[in-house]
Amino acid sequence: SQTIHQWPATLVQPVGSPLSLECTVEGTSNPNLYWYRQAAGRGLQLLFYSVGIGQISSEVPQNLSASRPQDRQFILSSKKLLLSDSGFYLCAWDGGADEKLFFGSGTQLSVL
Amino acid sequence: QKEVEQDPGPLSVPEGAIVSLNCTYSNSAFQYFMWYRQYSRKGPELLMYTYSSGNKEDGRFTAQVDKSSKYISLFIRDSQPSDSATYLCAMTSGGGADGLTFGKGTHLIIQP
Repeated sequence: SQTIHQWPATLVQPVGSPLSLECTVEGTSNPNLYWYRQAAGRGLQLLFYSVGIGQISSEVPQNLSASRPQDRQFILSSKKLLLSDSGFYLCAWDGGADEKLFFGSGTQLSVL
Repeated sequence: QKEVEQDPGPLSVPEGAIVSLNCTYSNSAFQYFMWYRQYSRKGPELLMYTYSSGNKEDGRFTAQVDKSSKYISLFIRDSQPSDSATYLCAMTSGGGADGLTFGKGTHLIIQP
């Protein structure tokens, strides 16, 4: 069966520090991969999605970037965090056959 | 007008009650409809998936889609305290999960 791993679960970072969140999927090949941010009262915001290695689509211009160095690995990065980057970050995947989206356990990021 | 509207709640009901959660939408092209359950500080979990109009039942859960009214519902029978969570609706016209539009979620509390 397919599983998605996302870490860390919680992260506290100072303003101006770099960020790297990692997500890996097991049990499937060539998944579509997604990064979402969930802020209180604002719902789920799609940040990036990827249909293959090195292929990244950005939905929202921001202080963040994404990379997909391997088929089942998706990384969310920032060179300098802002206070507004605080939120709950979710990695997700779909198998491409339908519109079902499966989420990881999330990372709560607090920028102080 | 927002694409997907969902009452944020909180909705508080006694254990054993029938719960009705709803979303309205404006895009008549939507034809894939999903309900996710999200526990506090966890990733959303796919609960129900429906294509087009009609009902779908899975145990205590029933998803209902009325495309003519642009209205979807999730019913929970014999509600349990473990059903306490935030429920998000999601929908798309197709073409991949990157087109998913989410509601902001309804916070449900089942009182023992």
